[in-house]
Amino acid sequence: SQQGEEDPQALSIQEGENATMNCSYKTSINNLQWYRQNSGRGLVHLILIRSNEREKHSGRLRVTLDTSKKSSSLLITASRAADTASYFCATALSGSARQLTFGSGTQLTVLP
Amino acid sequence: GAVVSQHPSRVICKSGTSVKIECRSLDFQATTMFWYRQFPKQSLMLMATSNEGSKATYEQGVEKDKFLINHASLTLSTLTVTSAHPEDSSFYICSAWTASSYNEQFFGPGTRLTVL
Repeated sequence: SQQGEEDPQALSIQEGENATMNCSYKTSINNLQWYRQNSGRGLVHLILIRSNEREKHSGRLRVTLDTSKKSSSLLITASRAADTASYFCATALSGSARQLTFGSGTQLTVLP
Repeated sequence: GAVVSQHPSRVICKSGTSVKIECRSLDFQATTMFWYRQFPKQSLMLMATSNEGSKATYEQGVEKDKFLINHASLTLSTLTVTSAHPEDSSFYICSAWTASSYNEQFFGPGTRLTVL
């Protein structure tokens, strides 16, 4: 079963705006990862945040992790039309750090 | 970064036939490979975990006799969908993991299977 639930399921914004996606999970984790998937393609790894980290940045991406609330957010700043894709969070559980469980995903559409 | 390939990228077959999908790590040795299935507009569901030289571990609800996995070397794992049916039509994605990658899995580009 899926570990993570993401919201919103779909998000449509204008170019230049920020996009925020949220992920909630149920059990203790070793780390949480965010992936991007263009339609019909494989996954691209965006960022990994460990359970002892609270925030991480990579370019226009900012990820936060709140282990007390079992939630994470992905913020994409100054979005571009090329950011249009599905975004998934994936959790690696404590004690099974290799295996990932994916969330339900957010379909992001950035309108030019 | 590490590269994982899948072959074929797309396959159409008749109901009842078997289809083999290959997953290769091109520039590193993968201790573990994972096979996922993704239905349209849905998330990835883990089917099985494959360790080189040992039997694959299947997730609950995945038939091991239908989805045969062979991880014969540190760079190659294969998934064979036996006696395929239309409901097996899906996007199959593999990923590879190695100890030096810490917790990052490297994903293949996926294989679109359509069973007529």
